[in-house]
Amino acid sequence: AQSVTQLDSQVPVFEEAPVELRCNYSSSVSVYLFWYVQYPNQGLQLLLKYLSGSTLVESINGFEAEFNKSQTSFHLRKPSVHISDTAEYFCAVSAFGNEKLTFGTGTRLTIIP
Amino acid sequence: GAGVSQTPSNKVTEKGKYVELRCDPISGHTALYWYRQSLGQGPEFLIYFQGTGAADDSGLPNDRFFAVRPEGSVSTLKIQRTERGDSAVYLCASSLDRGPYNEQFFGPGTRLTVL
Repeated sequence: AQSVTQLDSQVPVFEEAPVELRCNYSSSVSVYLFWYVQYPNQGLQLLLKYLSGSTLVESINGFEAEFNKSQTSFHLRKPSVHISDTAEYFCAVSAFGNEKLTFGTGTRLTIIP
Repeated sequence: GAGVSQTPSNKVTEKGKYVELRCDPISGHTALYWYRQSLGQGPEFLIYFQGTGAADDSGLPNDRFFAVRPEGSVSTLKIQRTERGDSAVYLCASSLDRGPYNEQFFGPGTRLTVL
């Protein structure tokens, strides 16, 4: 079985400051890794994913995440946040050969003007 | 094109009643997933369909929960003898095909409240 830990339930950040949202996972088998975002009053959307190849993956709106196998982490970072980044962010994993996603409890990112 | 739609958006029912929640996936998507999100938690997997068949129902909490997808498109999640602990947002997602290379697109959810 897989599990995902997002230790920070809420992260307040000043606008234009950098941010890191932490995600650690546990699994006895190889996994794929995902970050989903839920903007206010909207459904879950895929932000970025790591499937294979380069361990650093990027989204179209400036977020990046790095897969670290030795630390079983997939932290999400952005060098400069914007008000529009206010949302809840969920880290998720799926095991090789298994379709289901296992989600963390989410991190609410609040941008302070 | 239209995304995943779910009806109703809100459902309030009394303990012990039966409820049905409907999911309309994106047209042409063969894979369909149900998740449940309780307050303060992340989505929790319930069941996955590939076409008409339930390929993985390991997340259904007990035999009060059942889901169907008779024609490989619309799916219905059925909950019998509802309990207060069933209160949650029920999310449906669909993807073009199975596998992590096919993004799961989520619907807006149905908020179920059991009084």
